[in-house]
Amino acid sequence: QKEVEQDPGPLSVPEGAIVSLNCTYSNSAFQYFMWYRQYSRKGPELLMYTYSSGNKEDGRFTAQVDKSSKYISLFIRDSQPSDSATYLCAMNTGGFKTIFGAGTRLFVKA
Amino acid sequence: GAVVSQHPSWVICKSGTSVKIECRSLDFQATTMFWYRQFPKQSLMLMATSNEGSKATYEQGVEKDKFLINHASLTLSTLTVTSAHPEDSSFYICSAGGDRGQETQYFGPGTRLLVL
Repeated sequence: QKEVEQDPGPLSVPEGAIVSLNCTYSNSAFQYFMWYRQYSRKGPELLMYTYSSGNKEDGRFTAQVDKSSKYISLFIRDSQPSDSATYLCAMNTGGFKTIFGAGTRLFVKA
Repeated sequence: GAVVSQHPSWVICKSGTSVKIECRSLDFQATTMFWYRQFPKQSLMLMATSNEGSKATYEQGVEKDKFLINHASLTLSTLTVTSAHPEDSSFYICSAGGDRGQETQYFGPGTRLLVL
């Protein structure tokens, strides 16, 4: 079993839809949770960063962490075609060793 | 803040030659940098962790003599692919420990390597 599981998609939604992206993990020691967005042929861009459980909101993006279920989510409201990218979840225990999910490819249709 | 650059952005070389890729943190000092490899439609594969002034730590299965890493300063790490072969063709991405602390990483734009 992988430490971090993420559905690779692709996920296709119409413009304006609410998008839900998810990851599950097995290591209960993970404390820091990140979401990265990666456009084609570009490096990943840090989108959201959360410590421990709870919600964090930034504009149209909301990150949720449920440590009891070992489950994290990223919600995108009012999705735009420019949101079309691969979204990678990532997590670590507090050191530098970060474990990445496989990435979910998202397509937002105009 | 937290900008990481990579150079070159793409390179084409002949089989048997060596290629050097530079990774720079432009607006912060990074004691630790990371080198990843990414194949099309796949996630990031950590190759090695580079610490300023010391030897890099390579992940299992990564040939340290093949992929030479040097972290000469707090803002520069280099990856040299020695005697490159077509199977080394890939997208190489570096990252640096972020200014929020050790938990986050900021990525460079990546270098696309094609070995003919």
